[in-house]
Amino acid sequence: EAEVAQSPRYKITEKSQAVAFWCDPISGHATLYWYRQILGQGPELLVQFQDESVVDDSQLPKDRFSAERLKGVDSTLKIQPAELGDSAMYLCASSLASGRTNSPLHFGNGTRLTVT
Amino acid sequence: AQSVTQLGSHVSVSEGALVLLRCNYSSSVPPYLFWYVQYPNQGLQLLLKYTSAATLVKGINGFEAEFKKSETSFHLTKPSAHMSDAAEYFCAVSSYNNNDMRFGAGTRLTVKP
Repeated sequence: EAEVAQSPRYKITEKSQAVAFWCDPISGHATLYWYRQILGQGPELLVQFQDESVVDDSQLPKDRFSAERLKGVDSTLKIQPAELGDSAMYLCASSLASGRTNSPLHFGNGTRLTVT
Repeated sequence: AQSVTQLGSHVSVSEGALVLLRCNYSSSVPPYLFWYVQYPNQGLQLLLKYTSAATLVKGINGFEAEFKKSETSFHLTKPSAHMSDAAEYFCAVSSYNNNDMRFGAGTRLTVKP
């Protein structure tokens, strides 16, 4: 079964440093999501792409976070500078195009970020 | 705006016992409801989904959930717990186009031998 690929699996960085995460969605999935999951909580949406366009980034802290999906396939999420409170699991998910009511999200295994 | 509330952050059952994980939703439009499972250091895996067809939804690993509009609930059940069911379970709600999927805080299921 096709999977959403994420890398790296684990990342330790010092505060004020830059960090980047990569995601390759399932082939043919036009919608891509980045979620942040703080330990003990449910995932919270950071940004959603439809192809290469941002659909929703209302919860993305734009002063330090950026996301891109230049060719409408893989995506990169960047944090600069990282803060201690950014320590979390960053999950990427993909689904068929919006408007497809039976298209659940398929998640990658996530990147666990620790900021020291 | 849509939201879900999962009642009970931790549930512990004995192996072979009934599993009941509670989820209540709030939505101004007909909701689509999902249950996901997460094992340690992994992403979320879809267990089952309700998309306005049958109100009793069967999923993988013997789980099922019933949509009750009058109670705004979508509780997850399994007749007999197995050790491998120990994980974190998340209820989620979205509207027609999945643009606004929202997750609950999760319920950690522990299965005792």
